[in-house]
Amino acid sequence: IAGITQAPTSQILAAGRRMTLRCTQDMRHNAMYWYRQDLGLGLRLIHYSNTAGTTGKGEVPDGYSVSRANTDDFPLTLASAVPSQTSVYFCASSDGRGGTDTQYFGPGTRLTVL
Amino acid sequence: GQNIDQPTEMTATEGAIVQINCTYQTSGFNGLFWYQQHAGEAPTFLSYNVLDGLEEKGRFSSFLSRSKGYSYLLLKELQMKDSASYLCAVSDSNYQLIWGAGTKLIIKP
Repeated sequence: IAGITQAPTSQILAAGRRMTLRCTQDMRHNAMYWYRQDLGLGLRLIHYSNTAGTTGKGEVPDGYSVSRANTDDFPLTLASAVPSQTSVYFCASSDGRGGTDTQYFGPGTRLTVL
Repeated sequence: GQNIDQPTEMTATEGAIVQINCTYQTSGFNGLFWYQQHAGEAPTFLSYNVLDGLEEKGRFSSFLSRSKGYSYLLLKELQMKDSASYLCAVSDSNYQLIWGAGTKLIIKP
């Protein structure tokens, strides 16, 4: 049982480049989430999806986009990366609403934008 | 605005008991979570409280007082493997989690 996988594990990216972070879960969970984690700050929600075919904006959505074509995959795209997007990115999923159901996290992607 | 406060860092001794506090001010409340995060790893679920009182789960217990906007995580019989960050998160009126910055717990032998 893999749970949630993320790729790549880490990446160094030049500013202005486009980048897609991949996230796949095999638990058939309805809801999926993208967070960023920065030193000294709590996890911040970027985008979420309550079910396949729907997405919503979280606390810090600017500069990011997502899609949810099927239940398992939830890619996060940075259209034109900027240094402030240097962070650790976590994908998570939950069976029901993440606000009352346990969220399960992937191992994270460490992204550095130069 | 919404705010979750936790101590930045705590130190405790192996075998002892430690209490990690969390206070919150959020728009609405649909429960409070505690997660554990070891350095360089993903957060993992510890507990969920939606009603006032103490929930015990092995060496870990979590307490909630909704009227005071307060929770704590109690860790007993500390082991070296408990060295980690402990994250408090509150589900707000939109069922989105608002996360504290985490408390780094250092266990000394």
